[in-house]
Amino acid sequence: DAKTTQPPSMDCAEGRAANLPCNHSTISGNEYVYWYRQIHSQGPQYIIHGLKNNETNEMASLIITEDRKSSTLILPHATLRDTAVYYCIVRGQYNQGGKLIFGQGTELSVKP
Amino acid sequence: DGGITQSPKYLFRKEGQNVTLSCEQNLNHDAMYWYRQDPGQGLRLIYYSQIVNDFQKGDIAEGYSVSREKKESFPLTVTSAQKNPTAFYLCASSDRGTTNEKLFFGSGTQLSVL
Repeated sequence: DAKTTQPPSMDCAEGRAANLPCNHSTISGNEYVYWYRQIHSQGPQYIIHGLKNNETNEMASLIITEDRKSSTLILPHATLRDTAVYYCIVRGQYNQGGKLIFGQGTELSVKP
Repeated sequence: DGGITQSPKYLFRKEGQNVTLSCEQNLNHDAMYWYRQDPGQGLRLIYYSQIVNDFQKGDIAEGYSVSREKKESFPLTVTSAQKNPTAFYLCASSDRGTTNEKLFFGSGTQLSVL
């Protein structure tokens, strides 16, 4: 699975959009981009995933560039409860339960 | 409710002692995983299993052992050979073979050395 690069930390004002970038320049054609977040001392929580097209759900939006070498997770109206570490992962469509590599993630601090 | 249950939440190990961390899931998932997390670090893969009675080493398997005798259970034993066991341990499962293969995580076990 391709490796990912994320900034170690970011700040965001409460109520504003949080835009978290992820580089995955070695991604291959059948690899999906997944985002998870981890609130302190809890298990990570799935947020969203996508292949080529932009995706949106009740938690966030995922914007994937046309060349698929990078993506951005958007939390449209960040709240204090969104303070967490956000992990970007790429994995193959047919990975079927194989190794999943988590990097260091981005620590997002939402401030009042 | 469906989900993953890890127990205990806190565990203390004496030097030279083996301890076993429990992970049970009722999601009917084939794949299960164990990760280790050190303070301020990401998750590192210890072992994973794609099917009952089969498992593979992850990146940091030394000093750990697992078994997968039942689909719903994937216990992790931290042996005395693991010299630095203090960490937060996370178990996860996924529905193998789907294009929507999300990981579901337990709430973790904090292991400390006495």
